[in-house]
Amino acid sequence: AQSVTQLDSHVSVSEGTPVLLRCNYSSSYSPSLFWYVQHPNKGLQLLLKYTSAATLVKGINGFEAEFKKSETSFHLTKPSAHMSDAAEYFCVVSDRGTYKYIFGTGTRLKVLA
Amino acid sequence: DTAVSQTPKYLVTQMGNDKSIKCEQNLGHDTMYWYKQDSKKFLKIMFSYNNKELIINETVPNRFSPKSPDKAHLNLHINSLELGDSAVYFCASSQDPPSAPAALRETQYFGPGTRLLVL
Repeated sequence: AQSVTQLDSHVSVSEGTPVLLRCNYSSSYSPSLFWYVQHPNKGLQLLLKYTSAATLVKGINGFEAEFKKSETSFHLTKPSAHMSDAAEYFCVVSDRGTYKYIFGTGTRLKVLA
Repeated sequence: DTAVSQTPKYLVTQMGNDKSIKCEQNLGHDTMYWYKQDSKKFLKIMFSYNNKELIINETVPNRFSPKSPDKAHLNLHINSLELGDSAVYFCASSQDPPSAPAALRETQYFGPGTRLLVL
């Protein structure tokens, strides 16, 4: 069975400092992985996805993630946090048979002024 | 030009009532989903339809009945609402293999959510 684990439920950073949101996956085959962001009282927006092409994936709003098979990780990073980045972030793996999404438990990012 | 829309946005109702949530997508996708997000923000799939046919039915009480009149719509009807049904319900759609272009495969587009509160 596939799964994702988000290692931190809350992350706080100062504005202008780097962001690191950690995600580890478990899959018996090469997975498709995604990061979504949910701003307060909003829907989910796709940040980026990995589907077995380049291992370093660039997304919207300056975010990127690197697929590391040896570490079974897909951590999300951003060089410099903005106040507008404060939100809930979800790491997701897609089931190759049914394409259903399996969500991590989410990481709430707080950006301090 | 909203891609995936849901109505209503908010729904407050009494226990025991029956309610429906509607979802429409104008992306031309052939697969649609319902997810439930609980108070701890955990998201879990409930149902998935492909071209009006049910393909995923997770362990959801049979008080929940999805209906897909066409591939652009997936509605969720809930009978005999209970307090534990209070949550945010998200609709999503995707275009999946073999017809989807590689860049779009497995990418789901989500609606804004329906916040259901059962009193």
